Amino acid sequence: GQNIDQPTEMTATEGAIVQINCTYQTSGFNGLFWYQQHAGEAPTFLSYNVLDGLEEKGRFSSFLSRSKGYSYLLLKELQMKDSASYLCAGDDYKLSFGAGTTVTVRA
Amino acid sequence: EAGVVQSPRYKIIEKKQPVAFWCNPISGHNTLYWYLQNLGQGPELLIRYENEEAVDDSQLPKDRFSAERLKGVDSTLKIQPAELGDSAVYLCASSSRGGDGSQETQYFGPGTRLLVL
Repeated sequence: GQNIDQPTEMTATEGAIVQINCTYQTSGFNGLFWYQQHAGEAPTFLSYNVLDGLEEKGRFSSFLSRSKGYSYLLLKELQMKDSASYLCAGDDYKLSFGAGTTVTVRA
Repeated sequence: EAGVVQSPRYKIIEKKQPVAFWCNPISGHNTLYWYLQNLGQGPELLIRYENEEAVDDSQLPKDRFSAERLKGVDSTLKIQPAELGDSAVYLCASSSRGGDGSQETQYFGPGTRLLVL
């Protein structure tokens, strides 16, 4: 099994940058997923990191350090529509999700 | 391409009543998952199917929950009898698994919101 820890809430202003950290402890690990979930909607895939390092996709980037059991999701140029819950999930042939980090973007 | 389809979207029942949820995965996805998500929490896996075989049902409360995926395509999750604590969102997801067994991206359906009164 896995223990996934991420902050409960974060608040930032429009146009700013926010970094959501995730730490994991796992008996087996293949990679780490990040999902975005708007209130009342299904989680949608953002990124999957298998190797150490930073992967960038437009305004969103995700980082993984396997040796440290650590990942982060970086959201740049925040927009109001980025207000959502961001779920970190470890992959050990099944996904174990954290509780999610609720990001609130203020004007 | 159609996504994961779930029905119903909402269900309100009284405790001790039975309830069933249906899921049709993305075409060609051999792996199907049922998750339970409580408010303010991440999804928790209930059961995972590889084709028609349930390969991980360790978190499924088998005294009242059951699931089936008879033809390896769509799936049904049933609760009988429902309890107040079963009120949650039930999410279905599907993925295709790589030839080396590696995880492929899971795509989620819109979920069924269950309220047990």
